[in-house]
Amino acid sequence: GDSVTQMEGPVTLSEEAFLTINCTYTATGYPSLFWYVQYPGEGLQLLLKATKADDKGSNKGFEATYRKETTSFHLEKGSVQVSDSAVYFCARKNNNAGNMLTFGGGTRLMVKP
Amino acid sequence: DGGITQSPKYLFRKEGQNVTLSCEQNLNHDAMYWYRQDPGQGLRLIYYSQIVNDFQKGDIAEGYSVSREKKESFPLTVTSAQKNPTAFYLCASSMNTGELFFGEGSRLTVL
Repeated sequence: GDSVTQMEGPVTLSEEAFLTINCTYTATGYPSLFWYVQYPGEGLQLLLKATKADDKGSNKGFEATYRKETTSFHLEKGSVQVSDSAVYFCARKNNNAGNMLTFGGGTRLMVKP
Repeated sequence: DGGITQSPKYLFRKEGQNVTLSCEQNLNHDAMYWYRQDPGQGLRLIYYSQIVNDFQKGDIAEGYSVSREKKESFPLTVTSAQKNPTAFYLCASSMNTGELFFGEGSRLTVL
């Protein structure tokens, strides 16, 4: 079945460090891929998305490139801030009926001043 | 403003009681979903509905029930049959693009 695998957290970084959170997906067709962010006590918010191979999604300094050859969608940011501390979820749109997403397990990011 | 509203934000339940979590959206989305999130874990799909008066079980539907009598509303009932109901519950809706819009969540605690 469809699945998404993320690196386990927590990821702890100092402010202004470079961030990478790995995400790989099962290669059933060409799913749309998403990154969501969840701040403490809140729901999930869409951070960025990509709908086809080689697309780059970007938002708020975060980027992720749809890599078909490695079935990956790694999240990157060049310089993290304390306010980026949150849980990040990678997700893929399933190719079966409907628009359901399959989520990875989430990666907690903690940024220290 | 358009969005998804979940209520209550916090809910306490005694064992053996049913509780209903509300989810309302004014985005005119056809599809709505309920997810469960446990500490340190990802999201698991409980139920989803792609159209009014129709809904499907997700991966962990046992002990839960839903209804979809109106496009805007998709309430979730956590029944006494759910053995471990303490969790954070997230409602979402979507258009055909696949992007999900989430509510703020409801945290249920069983006393």
